[in-house]
Amino acid sequence: DIVLTQSPALAVSLGQRATISCRASQSVSTSSYNLMHWYQQKPGQQPKLLIYDASNLASSIPARFSGSGSGTDFTLTINPVQADDIATYYCQQSRELPYTFGAGTKLELK
Amino acid sequence: QVQLKESGPGLVQPSQTLSLTCTVSGFSLTSNSVHWVRQPPGKGLEWMGGIWGDGSTDYNSALKSRLSISRDTSKSQVFLKMNSLQTDDTAIYFCTREIYSSFDYWGQGVMVTVSS
Repeated sequence: DIVLTQSPALAVSLGQRATISCRASQSVSTSSYNLMHWYQQKPGQQPKLLIYDASNLASSIPARFSGSGSGTDFTLTINPVQADDIATYYCQQSRELPYTFGAGTKLELK
Repeated sequence: QVQLKESGPGLVQPSQTLSLTCTVSGFSLTSNSVHWVRQPPGKGLEWMGGIWGDGSTDYNSALKSRLSISRDTSKSQVFLKMNSLQTDDTAIYFCTREIYSSFDYWGQGVMVTVSS
């Protein structure tokens, strides 16, 4: 199985940039796609798709969210961070089955 | 619009079978795949398995021996059955639609507690 590693938590100040990383145990990229996706989850809610295929903004997601990366290293950037962005963020790969998620990064206020 | 909604018992006894239903609207089960993802209290997300547009299924190998996913396209429903439940199967169970290899719409989830 592909293991995705995320830092458990990240503390940021409102208005600043947050960079959340995800490292895969093997490449999740093909010749055409980077099969890494990002989700936001707030307490008591279902996950929400933010970014698909590493860098594509999902529908209705604000442009302050962006994604980058290829191969085994991926990044979700939130700039600037707003109060509504305080949540847990998960990466997920669909390069091969079983689909796997990272353990999540909890974004906290500094 | 696209919607998914899970339903099923909130409490299951140990060693019993869990049966959940995901009722979808706004899209066709023959054109999209639907997956089940669970989340133990305070923990992360685990992909359990899914059913593809052609009706084939894939399962997480950790659950494969206990898990079955099926569907009724006429009712726009996807079913999950998992047997031999234990306390560590206590979780929120979500169904979600896959598109462009990511999960774009999710149900609200159903909390399942395994306890006697």
